[in-house]
Amino acid sequence: DTAVSQTPKYLVTQMGNDKSIKCEQNLGHDTMYWYKQDSKKFLKIMFSYNNKELIINETVPNRFSPKSPDKAHLNLHINSLELGDSAVYFCASSPWRGNEQFFGPGTRLTVL
Amino acid sequence: AQSVTQLGSHVSVSEGALVLLRCNYSSSVPPYLFWYVQYPNQGLQLLLKYTTGATLVKGINGFEAEFKKSETSFHLTKPSAHMSDAAEYFCAVSDQGGSEKLVFGKGTKLTVNP
Repeated sequence: DTAVSQTPKYLVTQMGNDKSIKCEQNLGHDTMYWYKQDSKKFLKIMFSYNNKELIINETVPNRFSPKSPDKAHLNLHINSLELGDSAVYFCASSPWRGNEQFFGPGTRLTVL
Repeated sequence: AQSVTQLGSHVSVSEGALVLLRCNYSSSVPPYLFWYVQYPNQGLQLLLKYTTGATLVKGINGFEAEFKKSETSFHLTKPSAHMSDAAEYFCAVSDQGGSEKLVFGKGTKLTVNP
């Protein structure tokens, strides 16, 4: 069984469109994260939720909106996509105040 | 604010040679330290972590790292490189029981030559 899964794996879309990426974890963790990896492989935290509550919101454009329907799911919705949004987006999870994060396989977003 | 510096964006070694990937961190509180590996087109996999206790930590695939507080370092080593070790390696730091976010270094791409 996949511990942290993301769909889709690849997403190609036009500028201005709205898209969503879904993340699910079956580890029973309370905390979930979204990270962005840019073209230079640099990884940066975007958001973190603990038990459906937003706890980390880094400097991310308002076009990005995370939603956590339950503690096993954290989705990322992106409005009005821009070229600069092209990146790999990783979901991760951990126990609350745990010391290890488990990463999903990533979603490669390409904005044309 | 926490930060991580990985010296060397690219490291190349011969198969069987020592692997040394350098990581220095900055943290105002006692840190948790991590090394993750990313194989091409894959997610990140935890190699090893330091939280508290023994400063020499052993991880998967024969890797180990030593936490040196005085040097603010957490370098990753492996005595003998295998071709399968070729990947991108990321050092990361987080607060102990703090915001829980990982702050990553910029990564080091390891190439293993036959």
